[in-house]
Amino acid sequence: DTEVTQTPKHLVMGMTNKKSLKCEQHMGHRAMYWYKQKAKKPPELMFVYSYEKLSINESVPSRFSPECPNSSLLNLHLHALQPEDSALYLCASSPLAGGTETQYFGPGTRLLVL
Amino acid sequence: LAKTTQPISMDSYEGQEVNITCSHNNIATNDYITWYQQFPSQGPRFIIQGYKTKVTNEVASLFIPADRKSSTLSLPRVSLSDTAVYYCLVGDLSGGYQKVTFGTGTKLQVIP
Repeated sequence: DTEVTQTPKHLVMGMTNKKSLKCEQHMGHRAMYWYKQKAKKPPELMFVYSYEKLSINESVPSRFSPECPNSSLLNLHLHALQPEDSALYLCASSPLAGGTETQYFGPGTRLLVL
Repeated sequence: LAKTTQPISMDSYEGQEVNITCSHNNIATNDYITWYQQFPSQGPRFIIQGYKTKVTNEVASLFIPADRKSSTLSLPRVSLSDTAVYYCLVGDLSGGYQKVTFGTGTKLQVIP
């Protein structure tokens, strides 16, 4: 299984809502990532987890809260988002954090904040 | 992190070989060069990675000159399904974590 799955595929939320994005991989990878991608722009790194510990936070606002419950799961909790947070949220994983391993990306969650 | 520069867009006819060049003038000794492909509304997909000289796999070749300040992704005999955005990434993969920054990407349009 070389797949990273993300749920939901689409999400519409109001600025006062709380929602969560979920990412799962069963490749035994120990590094997992969240990226944000706006239309016609490259993906921007948000968070990196290595061995279930947060190793990189790219100065992301606190309304985005990542969580790595175990080595296969990565969540992104959303609260009090702004319309400008509307984007494609991509999850990725790699065998290790470091080395020459490839990042495997999921299909993304398309988020619309109203 | 080394910054990358790529052409914004390219057009090619089906069946032709396409070469996309990426400039990374301040690449560091430990940096590898990686290329990803992204279709609309999908996550990026790894194509190829290299450190120096030439790397070839079943879908592409990567040419890296001796000074490593640029690299060229070569796609042989493109088809319509190769229409996508291609990203060149340069990052330090030998540290405690893998951190790379996506460049602006090259939008390849394959024409029938």
